[in-house]
Amino acid sequence: DGGITQSPKYLFRKEGQNVTLSCEQNLNHDAMYWYRQDPGQGLRLIYYSQIVNDFQKGDIAEGYSVSREKKESFPLTVTSAQKNPTAFYLCASNLGGYGYTFGSGTRLTVV
Amino acid sequence: KQEVTQIPAALSVPEGENLVLNCSFTDSAIYNLQWFRQDPGKGLTSLLLIQSSQREQTSGRLNASLDKSSGRSTLYIAASQPGDSATYLCAVLLMDSNYQLIWGAGTKLIIKP
Repeated sequence: DGGITQSPKYLFRKEGQNVTLSCEQNLNHDAMYWYRQDPGQGLRLIYYSQIVNDFQKGDIAEGYSVSREKKESFPLTVTSAQKNPTAFYLCASNLGGYGYTFGSGTRLTVV
Repeated sequence: KQEVTQIPAALSVPEGENLVLNCSFTDSAIYNLQWFRQDPGKGLTSLLLIQSSQREQTSGRLNASLDKSSGRSTLYIAASQPGDSATYLCAVLLMDSNYQLIWGAGTKLIIKP
């Protein structure tokens, strides 16, 4: 079945550490997105990519980095510059504005 | 700047009731509006998508309406069941936005058996 796989489901980060969240899709979608979700708030866009080897910053890109070397993969790195990284991270993809598909999310906690 | 608001933030009703969730947006220049469901600790599932030229969409017990001129959408759930308990989010896709969605904060729905 086609879909988006996010891993790991839970991730713990120590102070000053960089961590990478994985997102893989087999839907052949061109566009992929990373969102951050905090309690009581709407989803906020971190980065998005509409084509391989190209990506744009969203509303809250500071402290995050991404790459898009393959159509299927859009990993997100949470760097030590992100001072408040504890949140639920969602990866999504779509095809021309239709049919958004979401992964099951990664919950990141700072320890 | 487009803002999306969902009221109420939380709703608790007995099983079997029909209910309406509300979503409002400030800029009517939208491409479409989408309703999603999110179970605790899970990703989002797309429920209904309404194009800007449409007035409503239906899927089973769900019916979503769109009134662009007033900046409103409603999600109607008929004969609610405990399994409908979840957070419901609406999002608008702006024209010329590189297909970015603008999100409401969601309505947490609890259906009591």
